Parts: sequence; structure tokens; C-alpha cells
Amino acid sequence: KAGVTQTPRYLIKTRGQQVTLSCSPISGHRSVSWYQQTPGQGLQFLFEYFSETQRNKGNFPGRFSGRQFSNSRSEMNVSTLELGDSALYLCASSLATLGTEAFFGQGTRLTVV
Amino acid sequence: GQNIDQPTEMTATEGAIVQINCTYQTSGFNGLFWYQQHAGEAPTFLSYNVLDGLEEKGRFSSFLSRSKGYSYLLLKELQMKDSASYLCAGEERGGATNKLIFGTGTLLAVQP
Repeated sequence: KAGVTQTPRYLIKTRGQQVTLSCSPISGHRSVSWYQQTPGQGLQFLFEYFSETQRNKGNFPGRFSGRQFSNSRSEMNVSTLELGDSALYLCASSLATLGTEAFFGQGTRLTVV
Repeated sequence: GQNIDQPTEMTATEGAIVQINCTYQTSGFNGLFWYQQHAGEAPTFLSYNVLDGLEEKGRFSSFLSRSKGYSYLLLKELQMKDSASYLCAGEERGGATNKLIFGTGTLLAVQP
């Protein structure tokens, strides 16, 4: 079956702009979680959505938001981009919640200039 | 909050056994994850431990001691393809929501 699909794979944005990233989970998976990975900070948890509701949340500012649709596809939005937002953004899907096996997409590489 | 510590790098020999340790300090620990990440690739889920004890999954096993704030990942019969970064992550309870706190990862190099 198809894996987790993230679009776009690469993105270049200007400081101050906003960006929306998309994640299509594995069919049947209801949980989608988002992560930011940078060389300096490593992998950091952003938030998790389950059945269209944000269920868990990391320590990121309100500029980072997300949503999940009825088909479990999820989007992540970052507003007022800063240079420090340049990172690999990963999403993962799982059948249930955080404690179940999660499958990661290949990520979206965001560069803010 | 939660703090996760794991060694930065380890080296082991093909065919051997290696143990990667992870310690955590937490105010609301719920469970512990291990992930494998090859260079340039997305992480792969390895295990999630909630209860004390050892869970075995093929060549990989994960151990948790909640009272000691300690976990380890055990890799047996090492293969060259096991060269990767291994990430330990604690799940922390926080009111209505939980969150994951990741360690910086242990870069394992398997040598012939």
C-alpha cells in the first residue's frame, strides 16, 4: 500500500511569508504527527492530529499551526516565516495515537531566505 | 519538563552486540520511543515501551526501567546496514496533551 506522502518535497520562501505543507497518511491511519528536524536542534515534535482534532502539542510558538481533514490528510502552516524556520519538516502517520507504530514521510525541506 | 540524554557516537563491529543507553528526567513520563534514522532518510519507528522490562523484536530489543529513568536499545548480530543514528524520545504527559521530547541521537558506526 502507498506510504506517507508529503508535498512539496522542497520549498524556498522569503522571511515574513507564510507556508503550507501537506501530508497524506497511509490509508486507514487516523493519526498524523508533525516534526521539525534541524542540524542544531535535532528532531522536535510539533503536534499530533487525530480524527480532525489536535490531540498533542510540542513547544512551538503559535506561528506553527495545523489541521486535519475528514480523510485524515493534514496540513501544517507556518506564518511570518523566520530564517530559523529553515528545516526538514516530517510527518508521520499511525493507526491510533502517539504510542503506536508511526510511519514517516520523506519530508519537506523548507529554506527561508 | 523532560531531559533526554544519550551518547553522541558509538562504534561497533559487524556481528557483535551493541547497547545504546538513554536516560531521562521527567515530570510526567508516559512512555519511551526508539527510532532509527539513516543519513538523508526519514526516521523509522523501532519500539515504544510503557512498562518496565525488555521487549524483543528480531535483532532489536528495547528495555525500560521507569524507576531508574533509563532505557536501552540492544542490537544483536550487527550488520553494516545498522550504521545509522538512533533516536530516543520520551513521551511526556502535560495536562490535556502529551508531547515527545527527543534526544540528540546516537550515531552508530558499524565496522567490518
